[in-house]
Amino acid sequence: NAGVTQTPKFQVLKTGQSMTLQCAQDMNHEYMSWYRQDPGMGLRLIHYSVGAGITDQGEVPNGYNVSRSTTEDFPLRLLSAAPSQTSVYFCASSYSIGVQAEAFFGQGTRLTVV
Amino acid sequence: RKEVEQDPGPFNVPEGATVAFNCTYSNSASQSFFWYRQDCRKEPKLLMSVYSSGNEDGRFTAQLNRASQYISLLIRDSKLSDSATYLCVVNAFNYGGSQGNLIFGKGTKLSVKP
Repeated sequence: NAGVTQTPKFQVLKTGQSMTLQCAQDMNHEYMSWYRQDPGMGLRLIHYSVGAGITDQGEVPNGYNVSRSTTEDFPLRLLSAAPSQTSVYFCASSYSIGVQAEAFFGQGTRLTVV
Repeated sequence: RKEVEQDPGPFNVPEGATVAFNCTYSNSASQSFFWYRQDCRKEPKLLMSVYSSGNEDGRFTAQLNRASQYISLLIRDSKLSDSATYLCVVNAFNYGGSQGNLIFGKGTKLSVKP
């Protein structure tokens, strides 16, 4: 059981480039989300999805797009990379947004924008 | 006031010590509470959920005080392997535009020394 798989693990982009961070889960979880983690800031929610075809913005959505065409996949797109997007990105999933639902995280993508 | 506040530490303790972490949250409508553990350069993983009645898992005890909006984690007989960052996490329904999403504290770093 792979859980939540993120690719790539590391990426360096030039300012202005676009790219997609991939996230897949094999636990049939309805709820998926993307966070970024910066030193001294903790994890902040970028976008989330409560099911296939449904997405919504989190705390810091600017500069990012998401889609959820299947239950398993939830890619995060950087439209035009900026140095401020240098961060560690985590994808997470849980079986619901119900009370005490555990979130499972991918191993993270370390992104550097130069 | 931040949604979830924690003492950032670091807490440097000897093996065998008892250490307590505290956390406060601002939204009285919060319904679910957790402690996650994050090892250096790794993803967060659920340590334990926190219930109103308090709960214990081996050397770890979590307490919730809804009236004071306060969560605690007690680690007894600290081990070297307990060295990590401990994240206080709240899942609040109907909180702004992010229903049911996880709100993370910035984490408290624990270093257990021989």
